[in-house]
Amino acid sequence: SAVISQKPSRDICQRGTSLTIQCQVDSQVTMMFWYRQQPGQSLTLIATANQGSEATYESGFVIDKFPISRPNLTFSTLTVSNMSPEDSSIYLCSVETLAGGELFFGEGSRLTVL
Amino acid sequence: QQQVKQSPQSLIVQKGGIPIINCAYENTAFDYFPWYQQFPGKGPALLIAIRPDVSEKKEGRFTISFNKSAKQFSLHIMDSQPGDSATYFCAASGGTYKYIFGTGTRLKVLA
Repeated sequence: SAVISQKPSRDICQRGTSLTIQCQVDSQVTMMFWYRQQPGQSLTLIATANQGSEATYESGFVIDKFPISRPNLTFSTLTVSNMSPEDSSIYLCSVETLAGGELFFGEGSRLTVL
Repeated sequence: QQQVKQSPQSLIVQKGGIPIINCAYENTAFDYFPWYQQFPGKGPALLIAIRPDVSEKKEGRFTISFNKSAKQFSLHIMDSQPGDSATYFCAASGGTYKYIFGTGTRLKVLA
């Protein structure tokens, strides 16, 4: 398995501001992903964080709104830019392990935008 | 089609009962089918997973049944306990396809 640390665990932000979420993994992993989970809903993939290059975004998500960095194999950040109340959600970092290809999740960052 | 359809949306059972959660998929390229358990305020935790070369897998009180021809798989929780009350998500992945998650089942086990 992999131990994934995310911070902040929660935050309350004002409309129009930006927040950066950090994700640190305790071991080298092949893939890192960012998911969004709206209250009571399933998991929606935002993007795949690629090491040393631009992230690969899913339909409906764009780099200007959700810039992502992955400077090395164990660390990634997701920024939620120019936030609106519709961005209130849980943002989850996940990793796919080198060993078995299993997907593991961090505890999530619960974001509330006022 | 990349959807994974999950049912029921919610489920209430008595302690000791056997809740069953079902998922169905359409894409035959999927070859890995995990289940995740999520408690309120926590991230999803990998519970158990199966690949299509077997029809059943057991880990403790959790069993996955897999029907390749019907493209369906299900999670059974034996001797369910109040501590099993959580939201359960099925998922599918394979080949070039990333993980696709079901819509989730909110399980409540009554004491």
